[in-house]
Amino acid sequence: DSGVTQTPKHLITATGQRVTLRCSPRSGDLSVYWYQQSLDQGLQFLIQYYNGEERAKGNILERFSAQQFPDLHSELNLSSLELGDSALYFCASSVGREGLQETQYFGPGTRLLVL
Amino acid sequence: GENVEQHPSTLSVQEGDSAVIKCTYSDSASNYFPWYKQELGKGPQLIIDIRSNVGEKKDQRIAVTLNKTAKHFSLHITETQPEDSAVYFCAASFSGSARQLTFGSGTQLTVLP
Repeated sequence: DSGVTQTPKHLITATGQRVTLRCSPRSGDLSVYWYQQSLDQGLQFLIQYYNGEERAKGNILERFSAQQFPDLHSELNLSSLELGDSALYFCASSVGREGLQETQYFGPGTRLLVL
Repeated sequence: GENVEQHPSTLSVQEGDSAVIKCTYSDSASNYFPWYKQELGKGPQLIIDIRSNVGEKKDQRIAVTLNKTAKHFSLHITETQPEDSAVYFCAASFSGSARQLTFGSGTQLTVLP
């Protein structure tokens, strides 16, 4: 158990809908990362937050957005869903110390299926 | 941006043999190289990592080597066991303000009993 929790574990929805994925980082971690894992694209970085502020963006679609709340949990919002958005979505967290590359601990993921 | 290539995509070995997975990266600024193991239905789990100021690191049956000049790094698993069967991912990152990981495409390792 990495200490990172994600809910829900599974999500089935229809095209055009909007969903919210939730992540709670390990106790004390300030940085949260979101990754998407699909069969054709592999594991891809979407977005990073540090202590409530957006730190970096990867290949995140405009239909997707995220935020990190004062209690440090994070939510990834996916809207106008398409079949191709079906994937595993992982959250990872790290302490967030400046000047040091740290281990990222991954949660168990949310499996999203868009029908 | 960074690009990480990983080979082979699948690897089958007999129990007790060694397994080697290789990765190359493109960005010479990358200085952190973790390896993750992902079992079915679970999230990636860090098994070992190496920083650019070190050429080799070992942890029991697992070792990682880094060649900065050639921009490649490798995972070595010795005395493989059936529980080593999983998908292994290499990744690269640099310690700038954004530290996202760029992952390789993964290697499905199967250890045959």
